[in-house]
Amino acid sequence: DVKVTQSSRYLVKRTGEKVFLECVQDMDHENMFWYRQDPGLGLRLIYFSYDVKMKEKGDIPEGYSVSREKKERFSLILESASTNQTSMYLCATGAASFYGYTFGSGTRLTVV
Amino acid sequence: AQSVAQPEDQVNVAEGNPLTVKCTYSVSGNPYLFWYVQYPNRGLQFLLKYITGDNLVKGSYGFEAEFNKSQTSFHLKKPSALVSDSALYFCAVRDGDSWGKLQFGAGTQVVVTP
Repeated sequence: DVKVTQSSRYLVKRTGEKVFLECVQDMDHENMFWYRQDPGLGLRLIYFSYDVKMKEKGDIPEGYSVSREKKERFSLILESASTNQTSMYLCATGAASFYGYTFGSGTRLTVV
Repeated sequence: AQSVAQPEDQVNVAEGNPLTVKCTYSVSGNPYLFWYVQYPNRGLQFLLKYITGDNLVKGSYGFEAEFNKSQTSFHLKKPSALVSDSALYFCAVRDGDSWGKLQFGAGTQVVVTP
């Protein structure tokens, strides 16, 4: 089975801090995605990557950046955390030819 | 643009009764549809998908979904609900581009009472 690992389950950060959320997959999947999940809004796509060093903006990229230096690792960066970025963050992967994702367990981030 | 609607925020059902979670979609081209389930403080788990073929799709944990092209619906069903089916359910449609992005609905909370 594909395993997708997110480095932290729970994270508390202060306003203005730079925050790194890490996601690592153990399969050779080309595509990786970062979503945030908020009650009543479902999952919204922040950024995705279809290859090393390649990235594309999703629906809500403002306030975020990403890095993909290796195929198995996709990092989400909050340059200056704000309270409205308090959310559940979910990483997902998928092969280019595969219809669907495998998700990590999520990181619940609280910005105070 | 693709979109997904889950019209019910919450579905309540007694254990042993049939469970239905509704989903309608809007896509250009052929729809690729998915259902995922999320248990508290966990990531999403894949339940089933429709790509092509038979309109009735069978998935994990006894769930199935019926694709209805004329009604643009993809409702999730289970003949006899269990208390352990209580969770948050998401319907999703694949974006038409080559990157395989999924557009998710807002989610439906299922509560199964003993």
